[in-house]
Amino acid sequence: SQKIEQNSEALNIQEGKTATLTCNYTNYSPAYLQWYRQDPGRGPVFLLLIRENEKEKRKERLKVTFDTTLKQSLFHITASQPADSATYLCALPGSARQLTFGSGTQLTVLP
Amino acid sequence: SQTIHQWPATLVQPVGSPLSLECTVEGTSNPNLYWYRQAAGRGLQLLFYSVGIGQISSEVPQNLSASRPQDRQFILSSKKLLLSDSGFYLCAWSGGASYEQYFGPGTRLTVT
Repeated sequence: SQKIEQNSEALNIQEGKTATLTCNYTNYSPAYLQWYRQDPGRGPVFLLLIRENEKEKRKERLKVTFDTTLKQSLFHITASQPADSATYLCALPGSARQLTFGSGTQLTVLP
Repeated sequence: SQTIHQWPATLVQPVGSPLSLECTVEGTSNPNLYWYRQAAGRGLQLLFYSVGIGQISSEVPQNLSASRPQDRQFILSSKKLLLSDSGFYLCAWSGGASYEQYFGPGTRLTVT
């Protein structure tokens, strides 16, 4: 069956450092992969989409890579700030644009 | 611009009582609509999705049901709630040429 794993349930880093979050998947051949941010008590917010033919995508301090051979995506936040503290979710598509989400990685940026 | 509404924001219901959660989307037409549930400290579980009026697909067997009576209205229901139905219920929409989903503010349901 299809499976998505986001390792490190929780990640603590120092302000100013680069945070790197991992999303691994099995039994998928996704055309794209998405990353979302979720704050406590709120719905997820879309951040980035990367397609299978894109190796890397950037948006401000965010960078996503997508390796379809390794079946892995890496999500980087450079120059991290305490305001970046949140849970980050990766998501893969199904047949009708529904998404399957990973369980998320809770990031805490320490001042 | 598009907005998505959910109500109520919080709900406390006894076991065995009925449930109706409503979600509406403004500013778009013919959206794909989704219901998710998130248990405390867990990931999102897709419950239902709809690609059009009256078209509902269920992802997991459960005592919940969904309906889409209008293009931009999505309702989640139960005839008799179970303790295990407690959680954070999120509605989302997607549409057009984009693949990302936009989530509502959610309903926190506690079944006692």
